[in-house]
Amino acid sequence: EPEVTQTPSHQVTQMGQEVILRCVPISNHLYFYWYRQILGQKVEFLVSFYNNEISEKSEIFDDQFSVERPDGSNFTLKIRSTKLEDSAMYFCASSDPGLGTGELFFGEGSRLTVL
Amino acid sequence: GQNIDQPTEMTATEGAIVQINCTYQTSGFNGLFWYQQHAGEAPTFLSYNVLDGLEEKGRFSSFLSRSKGYSYLLLKELQMKDSAYYLCAVRDLGYGGATNKLIFGTGTLLAVQP
Repeated sequence: EPEVTQTPSHQVTQMGQEVILRCVPISNHLYFYWYRQILGQKVEFLVSFYNNEISEKSEIFDDQFSVERPDGSNFTLKIRSTKLEDSAMYFCASSDPGLGTGELFFGEGSRLTVL
Repeated sequence: GQNIDQPTEMTATEGAIVQINCTYQTSGFNGLFWYQQHAGEAPTFLSYNVLDGLEEKGRFSSFLSRSKGYSYLLLKELQMKDSAYYLCAVRDLGYGGATNKLIFGTGTLLAVQP
């Protein structure tokens, strides 16, 4: 069964460092997303990406965040200068509303710890 | 604004039936999803409702009333492995359908006891 894959599974970084989280969405999906989940809190929307551009972003997704789909398969989230409060699980997801229910398929997540 | 409410925790007994409720007030609505999430893992899709009524899928059923902004997930014949978070999520298509994002509630932690 097709799946969304994410790397790394866990990254520890120092405050102020740049981090890139990588995702390979399901190949025939058209919409891509990043969500985050701070420990013990709800899954929060960060950004959606469609037709090679950001289609919507939340207020969390400030200038420190960027996304890119550099080669038609990878979908990356970059945090330019990490803060302590960026520590969270980051989930990548993809979907195609024209297929079945159009549900989002989530990757296993990348746990980011900022020290 | 966006508001999706679920009970924080529920406890049920193995073999029993449990109903997890969700109420929502969102600016856009194009369907309601239920996901299961085990601690430290990714959310996995359980069910979807876009029209009013009951959708049944094995041991899981989900109900939607759009006029009331209300849904529930019904789990029958509970098993120990059903202990997990259950997330209610509303789909918002955004302008021109360019987003198709899900907005999640806080999740309900279900503990199934022997």
